[in-house]
Amino acid sequence: GDSVTQMEGPVTLSEEAFLTINCTYTATGYPSLFWYVQYPGEGLQLLLKATKADDKGSNKGFEATYRKETTSFHLEKGSVQVSDSAVYFCALSDQSNYQLIWGAGTKLIIKP
Amino acid sequence: SQTIHQWPATLVQPVGSPLSLECTVEGTSNPNLYWYRQAAGRGLQLLFYSVGIGQISSEVPQNLSASRPQDRQFILSSKKLLLSDSGFYLCAWSLNGGNQPQHFGDGTRLSIL
Repeated sequence: GDSVTQMEGPVTLSEEAFLTINCTYTATGYPSLFWYVQYPGEGLQLLLKATKADDKGSNKGFEATYRKETTSFHLEKGSVQVSDSAVYFCALSDQSNYQLIWGAGTKLIIKP
Repeated sequence: SQTIHQWPATLVQPVGSPLSLECTVEGTSNPNLYWYRQAAGRGLQLLFYSVGIGQISSEVPQNLSASRPQDRQFILSSKKLLLSDSGFYLCAWSLNGGNQPQHFGDGTRLSIL
């Protein structure tokens, strides 16, 4: 079945560092791909999405490109801030039954 | 615009007591609705989803149940809580149809004593 694999955390970076959180997937058909962010004690927020190959989703300085050839959707940010500390989830849509397939989440810690 | 409300925000219950968590969505019709549980420091576990009134699909057999009495209302219940039911419960909605993102409520922190 479909699956999502994220790099294990926690990922610890200094402020203003470059961020990459890896996400790879296996899927049949043509899923949409999503990144969500969860701040401590809160629900998940949709951060960005991409609906077809080569699409780039972007929001709040974060970007991710839907790479069908490498089945990847890596999250990147050029310069992270302490306020970016959160857990990030990669997910893909299951076109057949309206569910999302979730990665395990990656905790990001940004130190000042 | 659409909004999702989930309450209560926190709940402390004794083992063996009943549970009712409520979720409502505004600003859309016939949404798909979801209940997730998140254990501390862990990922998301889908518990139930619903594509319409009275239509509930269960993903994980356990002592929880869900109901959808109205189009935009989704309720998570239990007759007798277990210690293992502790966790962070999240309600979400999406537009009907495939490839749609889900939008989450603020969650309920449930602690069982």
